Amino acid sequence: AQSVTQLDSQVPVFEEAPVELRCNYSSSVSVYLFWYVQYPNQGLQLLLKYLSGSTLVKGINGFEAEFNKSQTSFHLRKPSVHISDTAEYFCAVSVTFGNEKLTFGTGTRLTIIP
Amino acid sequence: EPEVTQTPSHQVTQMGQEVILRCVPISNHLYFYWYRQILGQKVEFLVSFYNNEISEKSEIFDDQFSVERPDGSNFTLKIRSTKLEDSAMYFCASNLQSSYNEQFFGPGTRLTVL
Repeated sequence: AQSVTQLDSQVPVFEEAPVELRCNYSSSVSVYLFWYVQYPNQGLQLLLKYLSGSTLVKGINGFEAEFNKSQTSFHLRKPSVHISDTAEYFCAVSVTFGNEKLTFGTGTRLTIIP
Repeated sequence: EPEVTQTPSHQVTQMGQEVILRCVPISNHLYFYWYRQILGQKVEFLVSFYNNEISEKSEIFDDQFSVERPDGSNFTLKIRSTKLEDSAMYFCASNLQSSYNEQFFGPGTRLTVL
């Protein structure tokens, strides 16, 4: 079975400052890794995904994430945040065969301070 | 841009009543999923559906739950006799058959059981 840990439940950041949201996973098989964002009163939107290849993946809205196999991590970063980035961010994994379920972390609420 | 839609956005019901949550997946997608998110908790997998049958279900998805694709466009989740602990946000997702398991989520239905 797979599991995902997001240690930071809430992260406050000043506008235009950099941010890193942490994600660690556990799995005995190869996984795909995803970051989803949930804006207030909306559904889940895919930010970016790691499938294979380059360990640095770029997503929408200026976000990027780096896959680190040795540390089983997939941290999300943005060099300069904006008020509109205020949202809940979820890290998720799935196995690499089939179209299997996503296993989510508990989420990190990112609050941007003006 | 195609999107997953869900109705209703909010449903209030009395304990013991049956509810049906409706989803319209993206039209050419083949894999369908239900997830739920109890307030303040992580998004949890309920069930996946492919080729008109359940592919996988979680421990949460007991005999009180059922899914159906009654026509070519709708995908429904039925809870036969709701309990207080069924109160949650329910998300539908769909996925085009691919190697990448990119699931597209609807905006969710908030179910409140009184």
